Amino acid sequence: QSVLTQPPSASGTPGQRVTISCSGSSSNIGINTVNWYQKLPGTAPKHLIYSNNQRPSGVPDRFSGSKSGTSASLVISGLQSEDEADYYCAAWDDSLNCPVFGGGTKLTVL
Amino acid sequence: EVHLLESGGGLVQPGGSLRLSCAASGFTFSGYAMSWVRQAPGKGLEWVSSTSGSGISTYYADSVKGRFTISRDNSKNTLYLQMNSLRAEDTAIYYCTRDSEGAVASASFDYWGQGTLVTVSS
Repeated sequence: QSVLTQPPSASGTPGQRVTISCSGSSSNIGINTVNWYQKLPGTAPKHLIYSNNQRPSGVPDRFSGSKSGTSASLVISGLQSEDEADYYCAAWDDSLNCPVFGGGTKLTVL
Repeated sequence: EVHLLESGGGLVQPGGSLRLSCAASGFTFSGYAMSWVRQAPGKGLEWVSSTSGSGISTYYADSVKGRFTISRDNSKNTLYLQMNSLRAEDTAIYYCTRDSEGAVASASFDYWGQGTLVTVSS
């Protein structure tokens, strides 16, 4: 069982807005920043969001992140077919003294 | 340009050992913590181990503690993962990653290698 909880799947049609949630606790998301990663089959994970809501250079502004309390969300606006991938949240856990990942959400573009 | 290149993966029998290497270039290696993250077939991402920029601080997932050892040679810009007592459940693609927050370990991995496959099977 992953320390951070994500829905196993999500879906949307092109152009739609999709939200992926990530639930944690007071020892991780509650006090540390959240990162999001995109994993396409056969490729290395890509850093999508850091510090809860910041995008690395090159990441389209269709991707946005937010955090409230012990939960975080990744929002993809104007969904595109190439967004079909697995998405993972991650945060440092002060109790475990290590980074923890969510179980991942498989996004399907219908 | 930051570049991370893993090597050392392969097929090993249960109970065997393997050492992974990650050659880094394009940045001041000693200024960044480095980590290993793996993905087993059909599974999600799993953090394995991290080391601070100096190599003094190391961190391990419970699943590998006592069996894996992370180390680095800052003079060679290379990260290592010594894996002993390997089990079938260690079968995965192992990725070398750079921690974006500098010399201290974090959950923010900004650069990833292409990964190296480790298969533990008899």
